[in-house]
Amino acid sequence: EIVLTQSPGTLSLSPGERATLSCRASQSVSSSYLAWYQQKPGQAPRLLIYGASSRATGIPDRFSGSGSGTDFTLTISRLEPEDFAVYYCQHYFSGLFGPGTKVDIK
Amino acid sequence: EVQLVESGGGLVQPGGSLRLSCAASRVTVSSNHMSWVRQAPGKGLEWVSVIHSGGNTYYADSVKGRFTISRDNSKNTLYLQMNNLRAEDTALYYCVKSGPEPPGYEYWGQGTLVTVSS
Repeated sequence: EIVLTQSPGTLSLSPGERATLSCRASQSVSSSYLAWYQQKPGQAPRLLIYGASSRATGIPDRFSGSGSGTDFTLTISRLEPEDFAVYYCQHYFSGLFGPGTKVDIK
Repeated sequence: EVQLVESGGGLVQPGGSLRLSCAASRVTVSSNHMSWVRQAPGKGLEWVSVIHSGGNTYYADSVKGRFTISRDNSKNTLYLQMNNLRAEDTALYYCVKSGPEPPGYEYWGQGTLVTVSS
């Protein structure tokens, strides 16, 4: 059974800074099945990235995904005020979600 | 715009049952993978179940044997029958359009709250 680990648990940054979020799988997974989501308080999650690196419809290009095998990364090139939220990775094939990384304002 | 509207949540005693519904608009339930995802208060996301466009169903180990996912094509509605509910099933339950294209959980409802308590 695959286990997803996300790090760090919390990332404290300022607007304009670059955010790098990590998702590690306990065994190699197809990059076709790695997705990232953003969730703000009181809202449903929003799909950001699928297939490890493809942006979903309407997602700004400051969001990018990369990685393969067991190590995947979500990068936000320059944080906007609306980007402070919790981010989850997901192994799409099994449905499993990682525990999340909270990006908060420093 | 795609709309997924969940209903059927509420307060139920341990051991009780509930049936959640998800009415879909501008997306055809039978042509897509449809999932239920839950989120306990203050916690992360937990995948619960999926019904594929072809009809195959899958469940998380935590609900297998107690929950049943189904759909009514004529009503374009997704269901989750939840039996033998436990306190740990307390969560906000989301209905999600989850593929096959793109391979991601693309459209989410706003959720319906299930509280299991005596």
